[in-house]
Amino acid sequence: GAGVSQSPSNKVTEKGKDVELRCDPISGHTALYWYRQRLGQGLEFLIYFQGNSAPDKSGLPSDRFSAERTGESVSTLTIQRTQQEDSAVYLCASSLGGPGSYTFGSGTRLTVV
Amino acid sequence: GNSVTQMEGPVTLSEEAFLTINCTYTATGYPSLFWYVQYPGEGLQLLLKATKADDKGSNKGFEATYRKETTSFHLEKGSVQVSDSAVYFCALSDGYSTLTFGKGTMLLVSP
Repeated sequence: GAGVSQSPSNKVTEKGKDVELRCDPISGHTALYWYRQRLGQGLEFLIYFQGNSAPDKSGLPSDRFSAERTGESVSTLTIQRTQQEDSAVYLCASSLGGPGSYTFGSGTRLTVV
Repeated sequence: GNSVTQMEGPVTLSEEAFLTINCTYTATGYPSLFWYVQYPGEGLQLLLKATKADDKGSNKGFEATYRKETTSFHLEKGSVQVSDSAVYFCALSDGYSTLTFGKGTMLLVSP
């Protein structure tokens, strides 16, 4: 597609439920990134996929968080047993792999009630 | 580790005023530096970048110069417009890891 597409755009879930967030990167972009943006905070790195290499999971805040990516296509970020502190905007970005020139999606706003 | 520090907002200006948003960084080696902008309800967009010392990035009337001696990359615009109201993020990449972002600075421009 023309840009990075994320779905859903908004998600309200009850505490303790699992959620799955989806990211469709730009076709041909080998690198894909997930960030979290809490209210009033900067962007917090979560996970990074580059081609078929093992992902960099160093930013995942707990084992409740996981992400998958099949080849160079869609990625899903899963949060199990959601907590209120998981409420944030989850941003996905993709790039050709060079430093810094990421294209971001519009994000998924997750609210845990 | 790498870090980026931005001035806290919001920055409130009248249309046609001069804008400066300060950004300083800490990094090993020689990072590339970036400014991203996030308009209301949208994702982040790359505004400009500089990849080596003394480089000046520019776009849409915005400029920033990579100052290695002061480890700074301040964003400037000579005359802001209402449509520039957004959140501005300074970021760096050392080429080995993902982008490190500052906390963002909200700019509000009134007519």
